[in-house]
Amino acid sequence: ETGVTQSPTHLIKTRGQQVTLRCSSQSGHNTVSWYQQALGQGPQFIFQYYREEENGRGNFPPRFSGLQFPNYSSELNVNALELDDSALYLCASSWDRGRPLYEQYFGPGTRLTVT
Amino acid sequence: AQKITQTQPGMFVQEKEAVTLDCTYDTSDPSYGLFWYKQPSSGEMIFLIYQGSYDQQNATEGRYSLNFQKARKSANLVISASQLGDSAMYFCAMRETGDDKIIFGKGTRLHILP
Repeated sequence: ETGVTQSPTHLIKTRGQQVTLRCSSQSGHNTVSWYQQALGQGPQFIFQYYREEENGRGNFPPRFSGLQFPNYSSELNVNALELDDSALYLCASSWDRGRPLYEQYFGPGTRLTVT
Repeated sequence: AQKITQTQPGMFVQEKEAVTLDCTYDTSDPSYGLFWYKQPSSGEMIFLIYQGSYDQQNATEGRYSLNFQKARKSANLVISASQLGDSAMYFCAMRETGDDKIIFGKGTRLHILP
């Protein structure tokens, strides 16, 4: 158990719709990162939030956006869903931008299916 | 350019045998960290072991050890005395100092046979 939770567990959406995924970080962790894991692939970094501001972004379009709240929860929003957005979405929390380097704790993920 | 390479898409190993999962990496940053994660079918990423680029000794955590060969940019995971519960996807990953993201390889699916 990492203390990181995600909701919902599974989600089915239609192309063009919008979706919000939620993550509750381990208490005290001020950094949350989001990753997209397509089937059969390793996770790909989407972005990171540090103290409620975006702090680094991977190669994802602006329709992927996020929010981080003071209560250690965060959201990943995806607009105009495409079929290729079908994936497992993982959040990971850490303290003080991940120092030491290995202390990043992953949640169980949300599996999104876009039809 | 791919920064983490795992050349074994799948492996079958007899229970109780040792297994080595290969990983090579590419970075020009002298300071970095290397990780191995286990991902069972449930999807959660389970941290197994960490090796810092300046660590003098290979990391060990119970049955897991990391064979770190810095000059060859290799960070193989060794699992001793494999168990049926070790069947899962295994990901090698790297984080460069000053970068906020972890870069993952494509993974190796390990099957432990009874």
